[in-house]
Amino acid sequence: SQQGEEDPQALSIQEGENATMNCSYKTSINNLQWYRQNSGRGLVHLILIRSNEREKHSGRLRVTLDTSKKSSSLLITASRAADTASYFCATDDYGNNRLAFGKGNQVVVIP
Amino acid sequence: EAGVVQSPRYKIIEKKQPVAFWCNPISGHNTLYWYRQNLGQGPELLIRYENEEAVDDSQLPKDRFSAERLKGVDSTLKIQPAELGDSAVYLCASSLNTRETQYFGPGTRLLVL
Repeated sequence: SQQGEEDPQALSIQEGENATMNCSYKTSINNLQWYRQNSGRGLVHLILIRSNEREKHSGRLRVTLDTSKKSSSLLITASRAADTASYFCATDDYGNNRLAFGKGNQVVVIP
Repeated sequence: EAGVVQSPRYKIIEKKQPVAFWCNPISGHNTLYWYRQNLGQGPELLIRYENEEAVDDSQLPKDRFSAERLKGVDSTLKIQPAELGDSAVYLCASSLNTRETQYFGPGTRLLVL
């Protein structure tokens, strides 16, 4: 069953701008992960943030986690055309050893 | 290092026909996953293997789907008979162990006519 709910579901920005997307979830989690999926390809793991962490950085990516609000955000700074993809949040729920993916955000970066 | 390999990449079959997908995980990865991804949705887990044991198959439609992971390496996912609603992308992933980062293959895009 789907867990995370990404918002907005579609985003179109100019190259060089920042892109922010949010994810809300419902259960208690061990960690939350973000994945990217380019057209016709498999998913690529971007970043993992544990439930006791509030913010994490990886290159141009910044992830925040607010467990009290059960939400996370992914910020991509200085976007590039190659960042055009679908972005999924996935929660690692306590108790079932299973990643539950959201429906994804479609991001289009216009050169 | 080679990633997760899947074949075929595309498959078109008529309903009621059987179909099989193959996955070769990253060398040394003990955990293997099969996911189904419908259009516009995120992947949903079908089955998870720890070595050769299926430890989570609660979301696998067992009336028509079967999977095996002989010798704890390669895995095959089969659908027999296929239905129109089975059209989706079938993704295989592997990780060193459960709860480690999952690495996904490119998927098999199935179209059932």
